[in-house]
Amino acid sequence: DQQVKQNSPSLSVQEGRISILNCDYTNSMFDYFLWYKKYPAEGPTFLISISSIKDKNEDGRFTVFLNKSAKHLSLHIVPSQPGDSAVYFCAASARNNDMRFGAGTRLTVKP
Amino acid sequence: EAEVAQSPRYKITEKSQAVAFWCDPISGHATLYWYRQILGQGPELLVQFQDESVVDDSQLPKDRFSAERLKGVDSTLKIQPAELGDSAMYLCASSSRRGNTQYFGPGTRLTVL
Repeated sequence: DQQVKQNSPSLSVQEGRISILNCDYTNSMFDYFLWYKKYPAEGPTFLISISSIKDKNEDGRFTVFLNKSAKHLSLHIVPSQPGDSAVYFCAASARNNDMRFGAGTRLTVKP
Repeated sequence: EAEVAQSPRYKITEKSQAVAFWCDPISGHATLYWYRQILGQGPELLVQFQDESVVDDSQLPKDRFSAERLKGVDSTLKIQPAELGDSAMYLCASSSRRGNTQYFGPGTRLTVL
C-alpha cells in the first residue's frame, strides 16, 4: 500500500524559476514530513522537514508547505539552480519512526 | 560533520552466493535502519534496530536475509543465497533516539548476475 505518493515522476524547469514538487499521503497518523534529495549512486540527503503543528517551514531557497486537511505537502525551490537537479523524495513518519517514502520526482533544472 | 558509513559501495555477485553489507551509524544514534531501494521507487524499510534490538523486521525476507547489531553500534545485513531480484541499492540510515530525522549513508549498490 502506497501511503505516500508522488504522482509526477519528473519535472523540468528553467534556471531561476520556481520548482514545485508535490506529495500526497493517506495515513492520518503521520505527524512529521521530510524531503530528501538524492544524486545518482549516493544516499538520500536530508533537505527540510515540517511537523504537523505547522503549515510552512522555510530554509533558504527551500520552503515546505503542509495542508493537513488535504493530506498534501509541497516543496518550493526558489530560485532553481542547475545543481538542484536530482531526485527528490517525500517521506512521512508517525511517532514510532516508521518512515514511508514516495517514489520520487526527478527534477531537471535547465541553464 | 558526522556521517553514516557503509561498505562496500558496490558489490557484484552471482546468484546463490552470500553477500554482506556493513553500516556504521552516526555516533550516539540509537536507531538504525536498513532500506532497499529499487530503481524508480522510494526506499523501503527492511529492518529497524533500537540499540541492539530489532523493533521492526516485518518486511525482511527472513528465509534469506538476516541483520544484526550485536553491540548496538554498527550493523551487518546479510543475504544468503542471493537471487537476481535482490539487485538494488541497500541503504543504511540512523536517527537519534528521540528525533525523527533519519540520516542516510551512501548506500551499497548490489548487482546479482
